[in-house]
Amino acid sequence: AQKVTQAQTEISVVEKEDVTLDCVYETRDTTYYLFWYKQPPSGELVFLIRRNSFDEQNEISGRYSWNFQKSTSSFNFTITASQVVDSAVYFCALSTLLISSGSARQLTFGSGTQLTVLP
Amino acid sequence: NAGVTQTPKFQVLKTGQSMTLQCAQDMNHNSMYWYRQDPGMGLRLIYYSASEGTTDKGEVPNGYNVSRLNKREFSLRLESAAPSQTSVYFCASSELGTTNSPLHFGNGTRLTVT
Repeated sequence: AQKVTQAQTEISVVEKEDVTLDCVYETRDTTYYLFWYKQPPSGELVFLIRRNSFDEQNEISGRYSWNFQKSTSSFNFTITASQVVDSAVYFCALSTLLISSGSARQLTFGSGTQLTVLP
Repeated sequence: NAGVTQTPKFQVLKTGQSMTLQCAQDMNHNSMYWYRQDPGMGLRLIYYSASEGTTDKGEVPNGYNVSRLNKREFSLRLESAAPSQTSVYFCASSELGTTNSPLHFGNGTRLTVT
């Protein structure tokens, strides 16, 4: 069974602080994909990043960076110099094949981390 | 480019009433999904359709039915709504066979059952 754990339910930081959101996953699949989605107060789900299980290189995109460590089954997300607009719920998700479907994939979501950035 | 469109955005039902949530995508995706989002539980898969003409149960299918009307449209039906079905419902789509494409989500339908 697939499982994604986001142990931090809520995090509050002051603007310009760095913050790391933790994500730990479980899967028996050897090929899988990890995602981060952002859900701002408006409610839509915004795709942030995708990483496959064979690529352990860290990635940086502006103020966002992701640290994928297969050895610890973690895919952590860091926001540098946080801004008020970063306030949102952030979801980590694990993509695995739906076996009965042939090749459709499903996302197994963590429970989300509510990030509040205070001015 | 509309992406994934869900209707309605909000709905209030009384226990026992029925309704259908509509979803359409214009990205020519083969796979479509229905998720529900509840506080503290992330999103959970209700039903999915790997391709036109097929549907399968996800993690929490009880109380729901789906119809893949054509490649573009995938509807979710509540035959007899219950308060436990109060939730935010998201429709999503993805390309079949493309193993690294992210799911594209609609903006959600907020359903309250009283």
